[in-house]
Amino acid sequence: DIRMTQSPSSLYASVGDRVTITCRASQDISNDLAWFQQRPGKAPKSLIYAASTLQTGAPSKFSGNGSETDFTLTISSLQPDDFGTYYCQQYYTFPRTFGQGTKVEI
Amino acid sequence: EVRLVESGGDLVHPGGSLRLSCVASGLTFSRYNMDWVRQAPGKGLEWVSYISRSSNTIYYADSVKGRFTISRDNTKNSLFLQMNSLSAEDTAIYYCVRENLAVPGVLMDWGQGSPVTVSS
Repeated sequence: DIRMTQSPSSLYASVGDRVTITCRASQDISNDLAWFQQRPGKAPKSLIYAASTLQTGAPSKFSGNGSETDFTLTISSLQPDDFGTYYCQQYYTFPRTFGQGTKVEI
Repeated sequence: EVRLVESGGDLVHPGGSLRLSCVASGLTFSRYNMDWVRQAPGKGLEWVSYISRSSNTIYYADSVKGRFTISRDNTKNSLFLQMNSLSAEDTAIYYCVRENLAVPGVLMDWGQGSPVTVSS
């Protein structure tokens, strides 16, 4: 199975900060990488797919980058409603696998 | 607007069975590949199972293989997950997820989740 490792596991940031989360795959997954946001008590929401393509309806303050094994999610200007947990996920092969999550606290 | 509504979650004893359902609306259900993803209390996301739009291709996570069965009824816009031999490790919220039509594998729309608790 492909192991997805996110860093950091949690972070504190202030409103207006630029925040970057990293995701590393245990093998080359091309650009078959997605990012999700999950607010407490809610279902995950798709933000990014194909490593850098913004999902329809996702705010443009979210951007993704990377390929092969190393990927990043950047939030350009953190706002209070951006708190929650962010997950990366590979869909290069089955089983689909998720990173362990990065909790963003304001 | 796409809606995915899960049901069937409940409290069940270890060794018991449960069948989850997911009804889709606002889309042509038969065109989409579908997945189940779960989340144990206080834990991260775990992919559970996949079914292609015509049910020709099915995959399972090793943790549920041989115990869970995914199926769908395109005439009723419905996705199912039959869960047998349940254990405490299966306690989780189970999400029904629609994949992107143009980019297979991309998990696009999620239901609100159906909670399953396995406890004596």
